[in-house]
Amino acid sequence: GENVEQHPSTLSVQEGDSAVIKCTYSDSASNYFPWYKQELGKRPQLIIDIRSNVGEKKDQRIAVTLNKTAKHFSLHITETQPEDSAVYFCAASRYNQGGKLIFGQGTELSVKP
Amino acid sequence: DTAVSQTPKYLVTQMGNDKSIKCEQNLGHDTMYWYKQDSKKFLKIMFSYNNKELIINETVPNRFSPKSPDKAHLNLHINSLELGDSAVYFCASSQVVRADNEQFFGPGTRLTVL
Repeated sequence: GENVEQHPSTLSVQEGDSAVIKCTYSDSASNYFPWYKQELGKRPQLIIDIRSNVGEKKDQRIAVTLNKTAKHFSLHITETQPEDSAVYFCAASRYNQGGKLIFGQGTELSVKP
Repeated sequence: DTAVSQTPKYLVTQMGNDKSIKCEQNLGHDTMYWYKQDSKKFLKIMFSYNNKELIINETVPNRFSPKSPDKAHLNLHINSLELGDSAVYFCASSQVVRADNEQFFGPGTRLTVL
């Protein structure tokens, strides 16, 4: 069945360092890949997404890369700040599947000042 | 001005009881969802509705029954609650029923079954 594997499950970095979270998906027909950030006790919120016709997308300090051949995509956060501390979820989906997002298991990022 | 709201925020109940969670969105979106987030933070879709019509039913026990009286509301009724139902339940909405439409989540309802 459809599956998204996400690594690492926890990640601790020093403020100012970069953080990378990786995901692999199983459904080769997936064509949309969002990333959600969930702060402690809060709701998940979309931070960036990428479509299958694009290899890379950047928004200020965050970027996402996609390798369709390997069915692999990654989130890159540069110049990390303590407010980046949260759980990050990747997801994979097909456009016309009822809005269904298959989420990875989440990565708890801790940025130490 | 809350975009997606849920009530109650916390729900503590005994096994075997029946309970409901309500969700409302004021974004004018056509599509609404229910997600379950377990104790390990894993987020899994349960249902999606588009204009009051059920679109996704993800192998959820039939003790869970969603109801959408109109496209701004999606409620979740749970019968005969079990310990394993303890989780945070998130409602979400998107403008249309396409995965590449941003999903806006509600604040969540933490359900604890004793």
